[in-house]
Amino acid sequence: AQSVTQPDIHITVSEGASLELRCNYSYGATPYLFWYVQSPGQGLQLLLKYFSGDTLVQGIKGFEAEFKRSQSSFNLRKPSVHWSDAAEYFCAVGAGANNLFFGTGTRLTVIP
Amino acid sequence: KAGVTQTPRYLIKTRGQQVTLSCSPISGHRSVSWYQQTPGQGLQFLFEYFSETQRNKGNFPGRFSGRQFSNSRSEMNVSTLELGDSALYLCASSRDGSSGANVLTFGAGSRLTVL
Repeated sequence: AQSVTQPDIHITVSEGASLELRCNYSYGATPYLFWYVQSPGQGLQLLLKYFSGDTLVQGIKGFEAEFKRSQSSFNLRKPSVHWSDAAEYFCAVGAGANNLFFGTGTRLTVIP
Repeated sequence: KAGVTQTPRYLIKTRGQQVTLSCSPISGHRSVSWYQQTPGQGLQFLFEYFSETQRNKGNFPGRFSGRQFSNSRSEMNVSTLELGDSALYLCASSRDGSSGANVLTFGAGSRLTVL
C-alpha cells in the first residue's frame, strides 16, 4: 500500500537559515514524487517533482529535493529561507490516474 | 492562462442538506480530480474524471458523487451532509495522466462548513 510520512509536524527556522523537510514514502512500483506548498486559505502549488533521471531536482522559489531510493526518501531543501516561505509543505506520491497520496504536512514558521 | 477555478469559495450548510461544488479546469486539461482536506484526516483523494468518465475513486461513502461535462468542467455533490463533511474541497486538473507521472494544478478550494 502507498503511504507518505512527514515526521516533522512543525518546524521553526530563522530567516536566512537553511531548511530541510523530511519525507519518506512507501510504494511498490517506481515512485512519482512531488512537493507542494500551501499558504493559508489557498490551494496547493507545485514546488517540484521527480519522475526519473537525475535524483537531485530543482524547483521553484529556490527549493530542491533529492530522491534516495535506498532510503525511500525525498527530502526538500532550501539553502536560505525567506519570511515568505512560511507555509505548509506536503510531500506526495503519485499512484496513478491522478491519485496522489499525501503526507500529513509540515508547517514551517520563519522567525525574522 | 487561467488557472483552475472553483466555486463557490465559501459556503455554509446545515446537517442533512446537500451541496454542489463546481470546478473549471485549465483550458486543454481533460482530467479533473477532487480531494478533501481536513485537519484530522489531511488530504484525501475523492475521485477522478476523464472524458466524462470516473476513472478512479477513493474510499468515501456513496453520499459523495461527481460528474464531468463534455467541456471538462466538473461538479461534486455531497448529499445528507454531516458535521464531519466540513472541509476544504480541492479540485485539480491535468492534461491526462493514467499513470502517476502527471502534474496536477490545484484550485484555491471550496471551504464547506456544516452546522
